Amino acid sequence: QAVLTQPPSVSAAPGQRVTISCSGSSSNIGNNFVSWYQQVPGTAPKLLIYDNDKRQSGTPDRFSGSRSGTSATLGITGLQTGDEADYYCGTWDTSQNIRLFGGGTRLTVL
Amino acid sequence: EVKLVESGGGLIQPGGSLRLSCAASGFTVSRNYMSWVRQAPGKGLEWVSVIYGDGSTYYAESVKGRFTISRDGSQNTLYLQMDNLRAEDTAMYYCVKDGIAATFDYWGQGTLVTVSS
Repeated sequence: QAVLTQPPSVSAAPGQRVTISCSGSSSNIGNNFVSWYQQVPGTAPKLLIYDNDKRQSGTPDRFSGSRSGTSATLGITGLQTGDEADYYCGTWDTSQNIRLFGGGTRLTVL
Repeated sequence: EVKLVESGGGLIQPGGSLRLSCAASGFTVSRNYMSWVRQAPGKGLEWVSVIYGDGSTYYAESVKGRFTISRDGSQNTLYLQMDNLRAEDTAMYYCVKDGIAATFDYWGQGTLVTVSS
């Protein structure tokens, strides 16, 4: 059971917008930066967003990140079939000095 | 160009040991945070261990006391010594360049560890 909670799956039609939530606590998301990763099945994860809302070089501006309190959100606009993948949030726990991942969200573009 | 290449995975019996290696290029391992992250078949990502630039190390509870992270500056290589392996350690193991804000910006292609009799 992952410490950070994400919905197992989300889906939307091409061209639409989708959001993926990541819920934590004051010892992790509430006091630390959040990152988001995209993993196409069979490949290594790739960093999309870091420091809550900064796009990694090469990440399209259709992807955005935000953090509020103990939750974070990844937004994707103008959905494309190529966006179908698993998405993970990540941060670290201040009190235990450990890194954390969410359970992952499978995005399906219908 | 940053590159991470893992090696050392394979099939091992429960209770056995294995050492994973991660050869880095394009940056200096000893000056950066480096982590190991694993992914069991069909499951999500699980952080395993980190080594800081000052040499401090931290572990997930699931591997504490059994796994040891280390590095060799002269070889620019990261290691993960895995002892007393269990079936639940079966996973793809990724070497990852980490950061102060736990940002995993570069990932290797992974090396598969299978623990089975």
